[in-house]
Amino acid sequence: EDKVVQSPLSLVVHEGDTVTLNCSYEVTNFRSLLWYKQEKKAPTFLFMLTSSGIEKKSGRLSSILDKKELSSILNITATQTGDSAIYLCAVLSGGSNYKLTFGKGTLLTVNP
Amino acid sequence: NAGVMQNPRHLVRRRGQEARLRCSPMKGHSHVYWYRQLPEEGLKFMVYLQKENIIDESGMPKERFSAEFPKEGPSILRIQQVVRGDSAAYFCASSPGHRSPRPTDTQYFGPGTRLTVL
Repeated sequence: EDKVVQSPLSLVVHEGDTVTLNCSYEVTNFRSLLWYKQEKKAPTFLFMLTSSGIEKKSGRLSSILDKKELSSILNITATQTGDSAIYLCAVLSGGSNYKLTFGKGTLLTVNP
Repeated sequence: NAGVMQNPRHLVRRRGQEARLRCSPMKGHSHVYWYRQLPEEGLKFMVYLQKENIIDESGMPKERFSAEFPKEGPSILRIQQVVRGDSAAYFCASSPGHRSPRPTDTQYFGPGTRLTVL
């Protein structure tokens, strides 16, 4: 069965800190890895990664995929209280182009 | 362009009642997916539908659960004779309207319906 594991499960930091969230996967026929931010509403799409070693960047957030290590990291620099959320990692794999397998998420709390 | 809409946002049912959850995909999207998030668990795929067709229901429990996406109107996830174990957040997602999804198609999620079974 496909598996996605995120670490840490939760993290508390102060504003201005830099954080690194981890996602590792064991799946058959990997296609892509996605990061979402979940506040008290819809999971919001952040990044889709398909190629190893190519960093995707959006403002203070960046992410990179390592297909050799079967993992990805999500970096957030100069954190703000608005970054507090659950960050979800999902992998598209197998014979389908739509069935996402999600990790349990990392709960990030940024204190002022 | 409105995002994926789901209603109701919160639904309370007693054991044995029926629950109906609705999802309207983003404009221009013709693929709808339902996921369930149990407490302390990740989102789990339930079903994938196109208009008037169930394409993949491999994640749906065999009994009491059904889904549809009619020609007109929202997609409906229906749970009959609910039990306490059905309490969860149910999320709907949609993706762009190609004939079939491509691996580069992003799924956009709605805000979810939180079902509580008393």
